[in-house]
Formats: sequence, C-alpha cells, structure tokens
Amino acid sequence: AQTVTQSQPEMSVQEAETVTLSCTYDTSESDYYLFWYKQPPSRQMILVIRQEAYKQQNATENRFSVNFQKAAKSFSLKISDSQLGDAAMYFCAYRTSYNNNDMRFGAGTRLTVKP
Amino acid sequence: NAGVTQTPKFQVLKTGQSMTLQCAQDMNHEYMSWYRQDPGMGLRLIHYSVGAGITDQGEVPNGYNVSRSTTEDFPLRLLSAAPSQTSVYFCASRSEPMRSPLHFGNGTRLTVT
Repeated sequence: AQTVTQSQPEMSVQEAETVTLSCTYDTSESDYYLFWYKQPPSRQMILVIRQEAYKQQNATENRFSVNFQKAAKSFSLKISDSQLGDAAMYFCAYRTSYNNNDMRFGAGTRLTVKP
Repeated sequence: NAGVTQTPKFQVLKTGQSMTLQCAQDMNHEYMSWYRQDPGMGLRLIHYSVGAGITDQGEVPNGYNVSRSTTEDFPLRLLSAAPSQTSVYFCASRSEPMRSPLHFGNGTRLTVT
C-alpha cells in the first residue's frame, strides 16, 4: 500500500516570509497524482495545488509552488510571502492512476503564521 | 452550486446507537467517498462508490455501511456506534478523470460516549 509521510507535525513562519512543508511517499507505480490540501480552523478541506507524476515541470498556483522530485519520491510545498490566512493544517495526498481506491493522506502539518 | 453537502455538522451518540450521516452532491460526480479524520493520522478512506449501485470498501470499513441508490446521495450508516468511531467524517466526490481533485463536504464531528 502506498504511504504518505509528513515529517513535520508543526511549522511556523513569520508573515511575509517563505516556508516549505515536506512530504514523501512510497510507491512502486510510475503514474500517479499528488495533491496538497489546506484545512483551516473552519474544518473545510481546500485544494491548494496538484501535480501529475508524468509532468516534469513543478506546479505553481500564485504564492504556492511545489518541488516534485520523482526519483526521491518527494513532494514539498513552498508558500511564499506567507499571510495570516495561510495558517492551517496542510495535508499531502497521493492517488494512483490504476484504481479508484482513492487518495492516501499524510498525517498533516500544522502551520502557524506569526504577525 | 452547493457542491458537497453533509449533515449533520455535529452529533453525539451513546454506545450502541445507530445513525446515518447524509451526503449529497450536485455536481453529477460519479465517484463519492467517505473519510474519517483522526488526530495524527490524516484522513482514512472508509468506503467509496464509482456510481449508483456500486460500492466498495476502503482502508477502515468495519462498523460502517454504505449504499448508493442515486448519483447524488451517498449516506454512511453506523450500525452500532462505538467510542472508537469518535472522529470527524468527511464526504467527498470527484469527476471521472483520475487527475481530478476531491471536493469535500464540511465534515461531521461525531462523538460516541
């Protein structure tokens, strides 16, 4: 079974600074998808960014970008110019292309943004 | 569009009671799923469905039943609640392409005493 590991239970960043959240995954497959979700205190799960494994180019969405290292099975999230509204739990998730037994999630990283 | 709607938002049950968590989506998504979220464990898949009349087990299915009679609705039934089922439950749906992200409901916080 695929596993997703987020090794940082908590992180903090100063407002306007940059922070990187780590994620590694274990798989024997070559075709899959990776996602980062944000969960603010409202409990809502919000898609931040996604990456297709077959794409070499790292995905970006405004202030959010990923560093996808397929050989290392690493998928880190970089948040630039951190804002107070970025404070949340962040979950890394993996989905295989081969079946519908859906996403595997990491345990999450709680991000605090200091004013 | 309302997206994925879950009810109730909060629920307290006594051990042994049964209840149904409701989930409905208005995006015509074939795929729907239920997850539970526990501290330090992320989200774990309970059951999922790839279309009306088709359901399958996920990672942690014991103690839960599902059915899918329509594309829109995917209820989760707790047959005999146990304290170990205290958790936050999320319903999610997505469109067919595998690259599609999950759309989540707002969750149900369930406490079993």
